Amino acid sequence: AQSVTQLDSQVPVFEEAPVELRCNYSSSVSVYLFWYVQYPNQGLQLLLKYLSGSTLVKGINGFEAEFNKSQTSFHLRKPSVHISDTAEYFCAVSDWGGNKLVFGAGTILRVKS
Amino acid sequence: DVKVTQSSRYLVKRTGEKVFLECVQDMDHENMFWYRQDPGLGLRLIYFSYDVKMKEKGDIPEGYSVSREKKERFSLILESASTNQTSMYLCASSTGALNTEAFFGQGTRLTVV
Repeated sequence: AQSVTQLDSQVPVFEEAPVELRCNYSSSVSVYLFWYVQYPNQGLQLLLKYLSGSTLVKGINGFEAEFNKSQTSFHLRKPSVHISDTAEYFCAVSDWGGNKLVFGAGTILRVKS
Repeated sequence: DVKVTQSSRYLVKRTGEKVFLECVQDMDHENMFWYRQDPGLGLRLIYFSYDVKMKEKGDIPEGYSVSREKKERFSLILESASTNQTSMYLCASSTGALNTEAFFGQGTRLTVV
């Protein structure tokens, strides 16, 4: 079965600084990868997804992620964060033919002014 | 706009009560999911359903059951609530096609006292 490891439980960063949230997954023949964001008191919404093709994936709100098959990683990056990016971020990998998502433990991004 | 609606945002129930959490989606999705979210553990899959009256156990089904009598509705049932079931419960849906994103409801925060 697939598993996902998010290497940092919390990441504090100052406004306008760059940020990277790390995600590693267990190896599989074919992998589909997702990043979701959860703002306080809300459900999850999709930031971006990798299905195939270009390894650099761009998402909403200026986020991007790079799929690295050899390192089984899918790290999320943003060159300049805003206070409004404060949220919990979840990395997920598909299982069961791509229909069932397995989630990491989450990373709380705290943006400070 | 895509919508997954959970019937309650907050619930307080007593130990031993039978609890029903309801979820409705308006996207004609085949797949529906119930996740439990706890700090530091991410989202863990309780049950999922890929068709009406069909269900599959997820990673933590013990103490829960589900019902899907209509395509748009997926209910999570706690047969006899216990304090260790105090948690945030998230419902999600997705199409039957491979690699598609899951859409989430706002969540139900259940407290069992």
